[in-house]
Amino acid sequence: DQQVKQNSPSLSVQEGRISILNCDYTNSMFDYFLWYKKYPAEGPTFLISISSIKDKNEDGRFTVFLNKSAKHLSLHIVPSQPGDSAVYFCAARLSDNFNKFYFGSGTKLNVKP
Amino acid sequence: KAGVTQTPRYLIKTRGQQVTLSCSPISGHRSVSWYQQTPGQGLQFLFEYFSETQRNKGNFPGRFSGRQFSNSRSEMNVSTLELGDSALYLCASSRGQGSSTDTQYFGPGTRLTVL
Repeated sequence: DQQVKQNSPSLSVQEGRISILNCDYTNSMFDYFLWYKKYPAEGPTFLISISSIKDKNEDGRFTVFLNKSAKHLSLHIVPSQPGDSAVYFCAARLSDNFNKFYFGSGTKLNVKP
Repeated sequence: KAGVTQTPRYLIKTRGQQVTLSCSPISGHRSVSWYQQTPGQGLQFLFEYFSETQRNKGNFPGRFSGRQFSNSRSEMNVSTLELGDSALYLCASSRGQGSSTDTQYFGPGTRLTVL
């Protein structure tokens, strides 16, 4: 069963605009969420994370929002750049489960120049 | 500092065979996790090893096994290969503290094709 879902397999955005990637989860016991970026032929690279005690975390152009009541996570990239074109995965962890993460199926972001 | 390395990068096997994949973590990292990535399924957690002990396990059949050595290097073994085992196998290493600052770093993966 897919406890973390990314319902949009792809997203296309113009350079300079905002990219919004969405992620939904079903288990209210998740306490830690992350976003990873993956380029072809490379492993995923950590992007940004958020603890369940927060509802927002920013790092430069990247902001992650957490809506616990809706069990929804989103990643905002502003402004989007062509180099941001990649597959983005969200992931979630149950409390006290160390590195056992549940991943979504990924959203392929294409930022057009 | 060298990143996570995985060998081999590509592998072709036939049904019924077994395969062993290797992962060398970043120096100082004691946790190694393994994931299977298939199209449309994202990454699915296989297991995590910490200090030579399996600390977490996903929902995969017993044909999938692993181990970790004293130098933190890890191997994953799949026996009696099936066509559905064709996937990208990724390993990730971290210090293993489980805290929010303990970032996992992924290797480039091993692409396994089962014919």
